[in-house]
Amino acid sequence: AQSVTQLGSHVSVSEGALVLLRCNYSSSVPPYLFWYVQYPNQGLQLLLKYTSAATLVKGINGFEAEFKKSETSFHLTKPSAHMSDAAEYFCAGGFGSSNTGKLIFGQGTTLQVKP
Amino acid sequence: GAGVSQSPSNKVTEKGKDVELRCDPISGHTALYWYRQRLGQGLEFLIYFQGNSAPDKSGLPSDRFSAERTGESVSTLTIQRTQQEDSAVYLCASSYRQYNEQFFGPGTRLTVL
Repeated sequence: AQSVTQLGSHVSVSEGALVLLRCNYSSSVPPYLFWYVQYPNQGLQLLLKYTSAATLVKGINGFEAEFKKSETSFHLTKPSAHMSDAAEYFCAGGFGSSNTGKLIFGQGTTLQVKP
Repeated sequence: GAGVSQSPSNKVTEKGKDVELRCDPISGHTALYWYRQRLGQGLEFLIYFQGNSAPDKSGLPSDRFSAERTGESVSTLTIQRTQQEDSAVYLCASSYRQYNEQFFGPGTRLTVL
């Protein structure tokens, strides 16, 4: 069965520091992978998506993620954290089973940015 | 253009009552999804509609849950005989077609007392 795992339910960084949020997937079929962000009391917003065109994907707000098949990973990074990046981040995968586009979500990682 | 809308935004109900949640997808989006987000957890897939195809109901947790969608328009998620464990935020998403970006609505926060 397919799965998505986010390592670390809480990550805390200082403003200006590197942000690294980890996501691993398990699947026997090629995945479509997404990172979504959820700000407090708001809906989910797409940060970026991997659909096999390029392994390094750039998204909004300076975020990027690299698909590594050998490591079954899709970690999210940002070189320099900003206070406004504080939010909950979800990694999600679509695995092509049964011809549906349903997404399997990780448990989420709360990013705290300290001044 | 307008995004995905959901109503009501909040619903408080008593255990045993039925509730109906509504989702208006983005116009032209053929795929529609319902997810559930329990406090402090990720999203759980509930049901998927794609055009006039048979829906994928594999995520519905029990037969108390059902959903309908007419064509490519509004969808309703119904929970019968609500239980306290049904308390969660119910999110609707739509996409142009499967595997495209899913656009999420703001959710309906359901509280079962």
